[in-house]
Amino acid sequence: GENVEQHPSTLSVQEGDSAVIKCTYSDSASNYFPWYKQELGKGPQLIIDIRSNVGEKKDQRIAVTLNKTAKHFSLHITETQPEDSAVYFCAASRGGSNFGNEKLTFGTGTRLTIIP
Amino acid sequence: DTAVSQTPKYLVTQMGNDKSIKCEQNLGHDTMYWYKQDSKKFLKIMFSYNNKELIINETVPNRFSPKSPDKAHLNLHINSLELGDSAVYFCASSPQLAGVSYEQYFGPGTRLTVT
Repeated sequence: GENVEQHPSTLSVQEGDSAVIKCTYSDSASNYFPWYKQELGKGPQLIIDIRSNVGEKKDQRIAVTLNKTAKHFSLHITETQPEDSAVYFCAASRGGSNFGNEKLTFGTGTRLTIIP
Repeated sequence: DTAVSQTPKYLVTQMGNDKSIKCEQNLGHDTMYWYKQDSKKFLKIMFSYNNKELIINETVPNRFSPKSPDKAHLNLHINSLELGDSAVYFCASSPQLAGVSYEQYFGPGTRLTVT
């Protein structure tokens, strides 16, 4: 099955600096890579995703890059703000053959702290 | 206008008891999931349902029994609760096309504490 590794487990950056979180995956058939943000006491929320036919995607201060050959993908947050403090999860999925079996395998999470 | 809701938010119970967690989504999605998040924040899928049919069952003890009365609801019943069942349980839903993964929308979670 798929295995997703995520680094670092904790990350502290000064407000205004950039943060980078990296993930590697094992299943070369995985083709969907979402990033979720989980704030304290809440459920994970999608912030950006990328499919395997694309190498990079940006949404304002957030970008994701994908290297299919190396089987790794990264989340980049620029101009960080205090509200970016949260736990971030990467995930990987391969399209299933039937409805409903497109399973997300999550990384172990990164606790990001933005220092004012 | 909550998209995915769960009840209760907190559940404290003793070992050996039976409890249920309810989940409802108003997004019109066909697929719903249960995840378990342990104390180290690790998120792992337990079950998925598509149109009331069980699709994924990730080697979860048979003390856990999901039930989907209709495609908007997915409940989780747990028998004979054990200390190791203490965790946060998340329900999620997703639109699906066969073979294609899409965003999953998570509920707020139910923190289960077994004493």
